[in-house]
Amino acid sequence: AQKVTQAQTEISVVEKEDVTLDCVYETRDTTYYLFWYKQPPSGELVFLIRRNSFDEQNEISGRYSWNFQKSTSSFNFTITASQVVDSAVYFCALTFSGGYQKVTFGTGTKLQVIP
Amino acid sequence: DSGVTQTPKHLITATGQRVTLRCSPRSGDLSVYWYQQSLDQGLQFLIQYYNGEERAKGNILERFSAQQFPDLHSELNLSSLELGDSALYFCASSVEGRPYNEQFFGPGTRLTVL
Repeated sequence: AQKVTQAQTEISVVEKEDVTLDCVYETRDTTYYLFWYKQPPSGELVFLIRRNSFDEQNEISGRYSWNFQKSTSSFNFTITASQVVDSAVYFCALTFSGGYQKVTFGTGTKLQVIP
Repeated sequence: DSGVTQTPKHLITATGQRVTLRCSPRSGDLSVYWYQQSLDQGLQFLIQYYNGEERAKGNILERFSAQQFPDLHSELNLSSLELGDSALYFCASSVEGRPYNEQFFGPGTRLTVL
């Protein structure tokens, strides 16, 4: 069975602070995919990143960076110099290779960036 | 704008009723997914279709059913509605429906059951 845990329910930071959102996953599969999605107040989920289990390189995209560590089954997301527009609910998700399979989402972390 | 459209945006109905939610995927996407987002259950995968055929099933109740039509749009039918069915229902689409495909989400349909 697959499971995604986002232990941080809500985080508040002051604008320009760095913030890390944690994601811990469980799966017995050796090939799997991890995702992060953003759900702004408007409601629509937006894809941020995908990582497969064989690629442990960290990724940076502007102010966003992701740290994938198989040893600890974690796929953490860091926002550098946070901005008010980053305020949203962020979901970590997991799926595994082989046919057509469902995606398992974490419960989400609500990030509030205070100006 | 993801390119995925959902109608209606809001739906208010009574217990025991039946409703149909509609989704049009992005142009070129063959797979459609349905999700339910509620405060107590979080974001739950319901069902996936690929090119008209059911491909994966999640936590979908027997009172719920879905289908994908030849033009690739999809409908989610919810019947014998209960108060607990009140939620935001999302449709998403992807190119092939593979696990590694990025999913594009629609704006959702907010269902309120009174």
